[in-house]
Amino acid sequence: RKEVEQDPGPFNVPEGATVAFNCTYSNSASQSFFWYRQDCRKEPKLLMSVYSSGNEDGRFTAQLNRASQYISLLIRDSKLSDSATYLCVVPDFTSGAGSYQLTFGKGTKLSVIP
Amino acid sequence: DGGITQSPKYLFRKEGQNVTLSCEQNLNHDAMYWYRQDPGQGLRLIYYSQIVNDFQKGDIAEGYSVSREKKESFPLTVTSAQKNPTAFYLCASSSPGQSYGYTFGSGTRLTVV
Repeated sequence: RKEVEQDPGPFNVPEGATVAFNCTYSNSASQSFFWYRQDCRKEPKLLMSVYSSGNEDGRFTAQLNRASQYISLLIRDSKLSDSATYLCVVPDFTSGAGSYQLTFGKGTKLSVIP
Repeated sequence: DGGITQSPKYLFRKEGQNVTLSCEQNLNHDAMYWYRQDPGQGLRLIYYSQIVNDFQKGDIAEGYSVSREKKESFPLTVTSAQKNPTAFYLCASSSPGQSYGYTFGSGTRLTVV
């Protein structure tokens, strides 16, 4: 069974802090990865895609370590609006024809405190 | 605007009733999915469909049924055989390729009363 493991947190950080989440995955064949953000009682929304060693988008940086099978998400200069649950997501392409299924981690909860 | 619409937003079910959750997308996506999320838990796959008139069971299909008669629609029926149906149900869609992940609907919160 393909697994995606995350530290559930919660991570309570002050505004302006830098915070990092890690995620480990068991499917060594995975080539691409996603971080989703889920606000309380809302649907998950795509935050970042990670295909090679990493990706950066403003205050958010995702890094990939294939040898150790982990992905990290770094948030710099945390804002109150960053408070949410962050889901690590690994696609499985074994069904073929470009189709895939996503395996979701249980998420890491972040609370940014004023 | 293209998107994926779930209805209703809130649904209450009596013991022993079947209820159907609607999911419609106008993104021209081939694949559609149903997930269940319980408080503090991750998303668990119920059913998925990669093409019209075809669908497969996910990890927790027991007590659920689906149909895929149209590309745009993938309704989920929660049957009386599902003993613990209270949860947040999320529908998603995707197209082949690895760039975009899934697009999710806003979810249906089902409560047994």
